[in-house]
Amino acid sequence: AQSVSQHNHHVILSEAASLELGCNYSYGGTVNLFWYVQYPGQHLQLLLKYFSGDPLVKGIKGFEAEFIKSKFSFNLRKPSVQWSDTAEYFCAVSLYNQGGKLIFGQGTELSVKP
Amino acid sequence: GAGVSQSPSNKVTEKGKDVELRCDPISGHTALYWYRQSLGQGLEFLIYFQGNSAPDKSGLPSDRFSAERTGGSVSTLTIQRTQQEDSAVYLCASSRRAQETQYFGPGTRLLVL
Repeated sequence: AQSVSQHNHHVILSEAASLELGCNYSYGGTVNLFWYVQYPGQHLQLLLKYFSGDPLVKGIKGFEAEFIKSKFSFNLRKPSVQWSDTAEYFCAVSLYNQGGKLIFGQGTELSVKP
Repeated sequence: GAGVSQSPSNKVTEKGKDVELRCDPISGHTALYWYRQSLGQGLEFLIYFQGNSAPDKSGLPSDRFSAERTGGSVSTLTIQRTQQEDSAVYLCASSRRAQETQYFGPGTRLLVL
């Protein structure tokens, strides 16, 4: 069965530190890739997405992610985190021939200390 | 414009009762998805509607779960004879078409006592 794996369950950083959250998926076909964020008390919001083209995608709030097809990875990065980035981050994959339903990773809780 | 809305925001019910959860997608969005977010299972796909096509029910955990989408817009997720393990946040999302970006609603938090 297809799956998405996020390497870290809980990450704690100080402000201005760099962030990288790992995401790997298991599926050999064409995929669309997403990172969603859930701020405390809010609903899921799209951070960025990859459908095709340049494997380095930029999203909102200074986030970016790189699709490495050979590694089945889509890691999320931010050079300098802020306290307001404290949230839960979800990597998700949709399979090209399955209607767009999302398969989510387990989520990574990010806590940024001021 | 208005986003995806869901009602109720919270629902407490007793084991064995039926519940109905409602989703209003973004106007003009033809694809609608239901997911469940629970502590033990994370975010799981439940069911997907695309236009007038037959829904993809492959994620429904049991035959106690059903959903319909009337007139290509509003959707209702029904859970019959609720069990404690049904306690979760039920999320609805919509997109303009299948495979495109999904926009999520605030969810309905269901607690089965």
